[in-house]
Amino acid sequence: QKEVEQNSGPLSVPEGAIASLNCTYSDRGSQSFFWYRQYSGKSPELIMSIYSNGDKEDGRFTAQLNKASQYVSLLIRDSQPSDSATYLCAVNYSGNTGKLIFGQGTTLQVKP
Amino acid sequence: EPEVTQTPSHQVTQMGQEVILRCVPISNHLYFYWYRQILGQKVEFLVSFYNNEISEKSEIFDDQFSVERPDGSNFTLKIRSTKLEDSAMYFCASIRDPSNQPQHFGDGTRLSIL
Repeated sequence: QKEVEQNSGPLSVPEGAIASLNCTYSDRGSQSFFWYRQYSGKSPELIMSIYSNGDKEDGRFTAQLNKASQYVSLLIRDSQPSDSATYLCAVNYSGNTGKLIFGQGTTLQVKP
Repeated sequence: EPEVTQTPSHQVTQMGQEVILRCVPISNHLYFYWYRQILGQKVEFLVSFYNNEISEKSEIFDDQFSVERPDGSNFTLKIRSTKLEDSAMYFCASIRDPSNQPQHFGDGTRLSIL
């Protein structure tokens, strides 16, 4: 059973701080990794994608991938109250079909 | 930017009735997906569809479920005889190349079974 694990939180940080979200996955054959943001009652919205080891930065967001440790993380710098949402880690185990396995999500609360 | 569109946004159906959820994927995408999310739970893969056939399905996707691409634009999910436990948000997603691109999700259909 291929699994993606996240701490459900809530993770609470003050406005302006760095929020660090973590995700582990079970299958070493995993190829692609994604972070989605989901507001309550809404659909997942892509934040970051990462395909190779190392860091990838996009604005205030940095994704980090360590395939040896089967670990992917998302850093949000200068957190804003509008960043308050559930962050979903998703893993593509099969490059052929593109099927995504999602973690349960981490709820982030950014307090003004 | 092109979007995946889903209709209806909310569907209320009596248990045992058939329901069809509709999706219009992004026009040049080739791979299509349905996921569901029961309230308070994780997003779960249901089925992937490529070249007019199912390429992978989950254990959830039993004989009560079917998918179809009836024309060049729509991608539908049919639940033949709905059960209470089918109540969930259903998301459609599409992609051109799954090896190196992220999936884009529609806004979802909230299915409520009474």
